[in-house]
Amino acid sequence: QQQVKQSPQSLIVQKGGISIINCAYENTAFDYFPWYQQFPGKGPALLIAIRPDVSEKKEGRFTISFNKSAKQFSLHIMDSQPGDSATYFCAAKAQGGKLIFGQGTELSVKP
Amino acid sequence: NAGVTQTPKFQVLKTGQSMTLQCAQDMNHNSMYWYRQDPGMGLRLIYYSASEGTTDKGEVPNGYNVSRLNKREFSLRLESAAPSQTSVYFCASSEQVADTQYFGPGTRLTVL
Repeated sequence: QQQVKQSPQSLIVQKGGISIINCAYENTAFDYFPWYQQFPGKGPALLIAIRPDVSEKKEGRFTISFNKSAKQFSLHIMDSQPGDSATYFCAAKAQGGKLIFGQGTELSVKP
Repeated sequence: NAGVTQTPKFQVLKTGQSMTLQCAQDMNHNSMYWYRQDPGMGLRLIYYSASEGTTDKGEVPNGYNVSRLNKREFSLRLESAAPSQTSVYFCASSEQVADTQYFGPGTRLTVL
């Protein structure tokens, strides 16, 4: 019940396309859902986060869509660029609890 | 302001050897964490320290020990390294357990 399942494991998108990464969870106590971006040889860095009281959050080209009833959330990258090539992790946390990470998605944006 | 720093960046050990991974943060954060990252497994929490003077087990604590030396520093020790501990290790810190975590650059460890 503590797991966060992330798909796909890898994703290849053409420049200008939309990248979509999906995550699903079971624990209804989770109340904070961040996405982290990790470039090769670097540590993960917070990209965008959402709380379950909203269904969507947008920051620039990055959007989180949240479906509370389905216990799913996804990251959409619009107008994907080669500089977006990285590994993306979803995560979830219950109040006062620790982050539980998904398995990661390796995104490659082809020029 | 360096954020979270980790040493060493790379390390190769033989089975049975011991070593300590060092982590320091200069953001005056209360909480610190150690994760390991393996392909297809995401980031798994090894140990964390909610505040100076406290440490708690995470998801995969076996084979590791930690020390919260002071508010700035949190070390991870492998007493008798095993090939299964070959991984990339990340340290992170946050203001409190509930807050955004900031990660260091990682230590790539290979155990032969």
